[in-house]
Amino acid sequence: DTAVSQTPKYLVTQMGNDKSIKCEQNLGHDTMYWYKQDSKKFLKIMFSYNNKELIINETVPNRFSPKSPDKAHLNLHINSLELGDSAVYFCASRLNRRDTGELFFGEGSRLTVL
Amino acid sequence: AQSVTQLGSHVSVSEGALVLLRCNYSSSVPPYLFWYVQYPNQGLQLLLKYTSAATLVKGINGFEAEFKKSETSFHLTKPSAHMSDAAEYFCAVSDTSGTYKYIFGTGTRLKVLA
Repeated sequence: DTAVSQTPKYLVTQMGNDKSIKCEQNLGHDTMYWYKQDSKKFLKIMFSYNNKELIINETVPNRFSPKSPDKAHLNLHINSLELGDSAVYFCASRLNRRDTGELFFGEGSRLTVL
Repeated sequence: AQSVTQLGSHVSVSEGALVLLRCNYSSSVPPYLFWYVQYPNQGLQLLLKYTSAATLVKGINGFEAEFKKSETSFHLTKPSAHMSDAAEYFCAVSDTSGTYKYIFGTGTRLKVLA
C-alpha cells in the first residue's frame, strides 16, 4: 500500500494547455507539500497545506493553483503551461506542520511541456 | 532563516572506498537535520535524521552522519561504497523558526566506480 501516491506519473503536453496532478496520502498526516525538481535536481518548495489550510505559498506564478479537498489530498493545477514548467513535481507529507520528523515522498510526476 | 549547503555536486568513489558527502547548516536554533537518498526515477527516501538525541546518527544501508555544532556540519559517511549506493543525496533541515518549511540542499550525485 503506497503511503504517498501521485497521478499521473508521466505527463506530456503542449504549451498553453492546462493540466492537473493529484496526490493522496494514507498516513493520516496533517501537512502536505508540493516540490518542483528541475533538471539539475534542485528541489524547490512550492506550496504547503496543513489540514486543508494553505500555510506556505512560495513565489510561484499564479498559473499554479493548489487545492486540498481534505487533509489526505493535495492537487496541483497548472494553467497555460510553459516550457519552463517542465520538471518533476513531488508531493510529500509529514505528521503536522510542527513535526520535526521526516517527509514522506511520492514517486513524482514528470511533466514535459513541448 | 535556516539553510543547508552541500559541497560538491558530484562525488566519485571506487567500490569499497570511503564515502564522504558534505553538508553544512546555518541555524540560530538547534536544527533538525536529515539526509535523503533519491534513486533514478524515484522519490526521496530518508537515510537518517538528527533530532538532538545523539550526535552520531546511524541510518539505513550502512550510512551514518555526525552532527558537529562547532563546525555547523552534518556530513554523511559510509565506510565502504557499494555499486548500489550510486544515487542523488540531499541534506535537509526542518525549519523550526515558524515557517514550517523543509529546506533541501542542492544535492550531491554519488558515482561508484567498479
